[in-house]
Amino acid sequence: AQSVTQPDIHITVSEGASLELRCNYSYGATPYLFWYVQSPGQGLQLLLKYFSGDTLVQGIKGFEAEFKRSQSSFNLRKPSVHWSDAAEYFCAVGLYTGGFKTIFGAGTRLFVKA
Amino acid sequence: ETGVTQSPTHLIKTRGQQVTLRCSSQSGHNTVSWYQQALGQGPQFIFQYYREEENGRGNFPPRFSGLQFPNYSSELNVNALELDDSALYLCASRVGNTGELFFGEGSRLTVL
Repeated sequence: AQSVTQPDIHITVSEGASLELRCNYSYGATPYLFWYVQSPGQGLQLLLKYFSGDTLVQGIKGFEAEFKRSQSSFNLRKPSVHWSDAAEYFCAVGLYTGGFKTIFGAGTRLFVKA
Repeated sequence: ETGVTQSPTHLIKTRGQQVTLRCSSQSGHNTVSWYQQALGQGPQFIFQYYREEENGRGNFPPRFSGLQFPNYSSELNVNALELDDSALYLCASRVGNTGELFFGEGSRLTVL
């Protein structure tokens, strides 16, 4: 069955430090890949997406992600974290299975310490 | 600002009751998806409508049903509410059948 795995339930980083959030997916073909962010009490906002082409994609708020087909991974990175980045981050895959649907991972909560 | 609005923002129901949640999407967004997000969990796909027809469904029982209307609004109906239905219900829309989703801020349902 198709699945999205985010191994880290929560991560704490210091402000100004680099960040990497991990995401692995299980799907027979290359899916559409997304990262969304959710602040408390809010809906989800798209950070970036990968459909095809260059495997390193740039997103909003200084985030980037790299698709690695051999590892079935799509990890999110940011070189320098700001306190305002504290939120829940969701990796998602879009795939065709009886219609097109987007499946989300369980999320990684990011805490930023001063 | 995603252009997707949901109502009500919060509501409380008792077990066995029925609830209707509403969503208004951006003009031109002919695909709408509904998700259930329990506390501390990722969004779980309930179903999706494309041009007013259901074209994808997750592992939810038939008491979860929906409608999509020509004016880019949609509904999620849940019958015979159970305690485990307590969650944030998210509506998301997009243009066409693929691509990024634009989310509303959700309706938080509490079932007592």
